Amino acid sequence: EVQLVESGGGLVQPGGSLRLSCAASGFTVSGDYMNWVRQAPGKGLEWVSIIYSDGRTYYADSVKGRFTISRDNSKNTLYLQMNSLRAEDTAMFYCARGYFNGLDVWGQGTTVTVSS
Amino acid sequence: DIQMTQSPSTLSASVGDRVTITCRASQSISSWLAWYQQKPGKAPKLLIYKASSLESGVPSRFSGSGSGTEFTLIISSLQPDDFATYYCQQYNSYPWTFGQGTKVEIK
Repeated sequence: EVQLVESGGGLVQPGGSLRLSCAASGFTVSGDYMNWVRQAPGKGLEWVSIIYSDGRTYYADSVKGRFTISRDNSKNTLYLQMNSLRAEDTAMFYCARGYFNGLDVWGQGTTVTVSS
Repeated sequence: DIQMTQSPSTLSASVGDRVTITCRASQSISSWLAWYQQKPGKAPKLLIYKASSLESGVPSRFSGSGSGTEFTLIISSLQPDDFATYYCQQYNSYPWTFGQGTKVEIK
């Protein structure tokens, strides 16, 4: 079964760091396009970042220079390193597979709360 | 950045109704558009990609059309399971952007 399971969310103070993980099963993250998408409480969806199979990465302007997407092929896991966190980063973070045929597989999400 | 504008923001409809949701892009995105359905507390679900291609397993009452800057999602006969929020998303250029969402409510 193709599945994504996120973890690593939690409460962090402004200016702090957090690393999210997304464990994949049923396919290999290294062979596909992998994304992070977030949703602030009561708000719409916001694309955050993508990593290509060849390692290229792209980011939303709102997180560029603060967030880093990466993967560990041996663990078949996607990551999002988040530094210099702000209150406006508070959101549910989803990992999702896909590009040309849309985002076809999503995890259940992990919640990040940035507050003092 | 490409702005995606959905209309309406909220739609009240009854079971069996034909529902149309529109998504407009601030510049041409060719056919690089997807539609998602999201229910409260759940992850989004892909319905349509490349503007008009139906994702595997999605009921045929869902259809998408359009190209360039104007796109439409149609639900031909609304079912109880379809009451949800719908989002369009462009993936023509970075940063990818979503519409603000259309909530389909029970009339």
